[in-house]
Amino acid sequence: GAVVSQHPSWVICKSGTSVKIECRSLDFQATTMFWYRQFPKQSLMLMATSNEGSKATYEQGVEKDKFLINHASLTLSTLTVTSAHPEDSSFYICSARRQGTENSPLHFGNGTRLTVT
Amino acid sequence: AQTVTQSQPEMSVQEAETVTLSCTYDTSESNYYLFWYKQPPSRQMILVIRQEAYKQQNATENRFSVNFQKAAKSFSLKISDSQLGDTAMYFCAFMKPMEYGNKLVFGAGTILRVKS
Repeated sequence: GAVVSQHPSWVICKSGTSVKIECRSLDFQATTMFWYRQFPKQSLMLMATSNEGSKATYEQGVEKDKFLINHASLTLSTLTVTSAHPEDSSFYICSARRQGTENSPLHFGNGTRLTVT
Repeated sequence: AQTVTQSQPEMSVQEAETVTLSCTYDTSESNYYLFWYKQPPSRQMILVIRQEAYKQQNATENRFSVNFQKAAKSFSLKISDSQLGDTAMYFCAFMKPMEYGNKLVFGAGTILRVKS
């Protein structure tokens, strides 16, 4: 089955530093990947759509300079939280869909718990 | 814009019994997809079941089945013979095909606790 790997699974960083989260599709190619943010006991909030070889599409209210997304290959998208602050502490989840199967369900990574101190 | 509403923040059910989670959505589209995802304490998102709007037959996956009422824009999930491992947060999700990126719109979620 399709596997999406997300790394790291958890990270603690100091306020003002930047953190990079990787999302890899292990056994398929993904033209599009999605980044979500989730607060405890709440729903997944779509942050941005990551497109291979082009700029990401950000949802309204998400700061593109704060959350940098790079999708340099068909199997890797990265989310960098720049100048992190405690309010950025959250659970971040990526998802991907196999290229050429636009109506198929998304496959999700295991998520990254970010804590900013 | 499409919206997905899950009106039950929390529910509990006794092991081996049946429980139904409700979901309604709002859309002007005629062709779309609906999903139920499960998120256990591990926080891994797991696809439970999928329904294509143009199919009248309700989807079924083992103990999981849906009651899809297109006119009422309702998509409830029935879990039969509940097991302790079904304890999780359940999300209903909507997808409009061919919309840019085919992104999912999630409901607020329902926390389900299965009691022994």
